[in-house]
Amino acid sequence: QVQLQESGPGLVRPSETLSLTCAVSDHAVNSAFYWAWIRQPPGGGLEWVGTIFHSGATYYNPSLKSRLTISVDTSSNQFSLDLRSVTAADTATYYCARHSGSLWFGELLYGAFDTWGQGTMLTVSS
Amino acid sequence: EIVLTQSPGTLSLDGGERATLSCRASQSVSSNYVAWYQQKPGQAPRLLITAASTRAPGTPDRFSGSGSGTDFTLTINRLEPEDFAVYYCQQYGNSPPTFGQGTKVEI
Repeated sequence: QVQLQESGPGLVRPSETLSLTCAVSDHAVNSAFYWAWIRQPPGGGLEWVGTIFHSGATYYNPSLKSRLTISVDTSSNQFSLDLRSVTAADTATYYCARHSGSLWFGELLYGAFDTWGQGTMLTVSS
Repeated sequence: EIVLTQSPGTLSLDGGERATLSCRASQSVSSNYVAWYQQKPGQAPRLLITAASTRAPGTPDRFSGSGSGTDFTLTINRLEPEDFAVYYCQQYGNSPPTFGQGTKVEI
């Protein structure tokens, strides 16, 4: 059964870059599935951050696109998130997740997020 | 982007009762691609329902989803103690995928 495990620094200073990694176990990241990041501020709701396919194709939330890079390392079976110029508004629990999908005329048709990691809390503070 | 509005914000019920949770979209969701998730404190969300009404593997049959277009409902029959949690709807028929703000089901 596929398992996802996030890792990150826990604390990042304002204006710096947040880097997180999601290690995928018991399932090849270069399968037919897509891999996503979702975040949840303390006491708040869920926000899709972005998605990557093993080919390297990326799909980003427009609200974060200018600061976001998601990458995949198939040799290590993991994928990563870099979020630049962070502020207190980026404080959240970050989850990695898996979803199905398909391309239709170059546009990604998403599936539901069927498997989630346990999440890693990230605080932005000086 | 599609905005999902869930109601009520909090639902106070007893065990054995039925819970009815609503999710309204700001525009029609393509192919009725709405999912429902359950989240307990300190845990990641768990997928319950896909495509508005299809139970995910392992979802008890007391959970049912319905709806189409802009109005969707999650019904939980005969609430069990483990069902008290926060429930989120999510649409994935239109980009970007978006979530509702959640409904808390409490005793």
